[in-house]
Amino acid sequence: DTEVTQTPKHLVMGMTNKKSLKCEQHMGHRAMYWYKQKAKKPPELMFVYSYEKLSINESVPSRFSPECPNSSLLNLHLHALQPEDSALYLCASSQPGRERATNEKLFFGSGTQLSVL
Amino acid sequence: QKEVEQNSGPLSVPEGAIASLNCTYSDRGSQSFFWYRQYSGKSPELIMFIYSNGDKEDGRFTAQLNKASQYVSLLIRDSQPSDSATYLCAVNRVKAAGNKLTFGGGTRVLVKP
Repeated sequence: DTEVTQTPKHLVMGMTNKKSLKCEQHMGHRAMYWYKQKAKKPPELMFVYSYEKLSINESVPSRFSPECPNSSLLNLHLHALQPEDSALYLCASSQPGRERATNEKLFFGSGTQLSVL
Repeated sequence: QKEVEQNSGPLSVPEGAIASLNCTYSDRGSQSFFWYRQYSGKSPELIMFIYSNGDKEDGRFTAQLNKASQYVSLLIRDSQPSDSATYLCAVNRVKAAGNKLTFGGGTRVLVKP
């Protein structure tokens, strides 16, 4: 299994809603990432979890709250979002280790297209 | 100055020709360099990575790295219509906390039959 699975594929939410994005991988990877990608722009790193601990937070607003319940799952909890938060949210994973060819390769999920009304 | 810069394109090439994509980066501490392909509405897919100066070939793709000039390129030989996509250059500066991949804005490639 070489897939990173994200659900839902599409999400429409109001500014007062609370929703969660889910990401799952069964490749045994111990690093997981959240990226945000606006239309016609490159992906931008939001969070990195390494061995289920939050290791990088790119100064993301607190209305985005990541969670890593176990080594296979990564969630992104959303609350009080703004219309400008509408974007494609990408999850990725990689396997930390000494071999660069392995540990720096990111496998991306297909993303959740989020629209905030 | 952006950390990773690419020409946004579109780069239009006839089928069978060579597509040449360029990327420059500003952080001299960057250690690893990647090319991702992204079809419209899809997620990025890794196609090449390179760590050392010089050329690296994989099938129809060749990545070239020049750390002194802070320049990385991608050549696509025998371009096919299926190569039409946005190509993202990415640069990694490995930290103890994990990989911190920074993407360029992408170059859109159009291969015309």
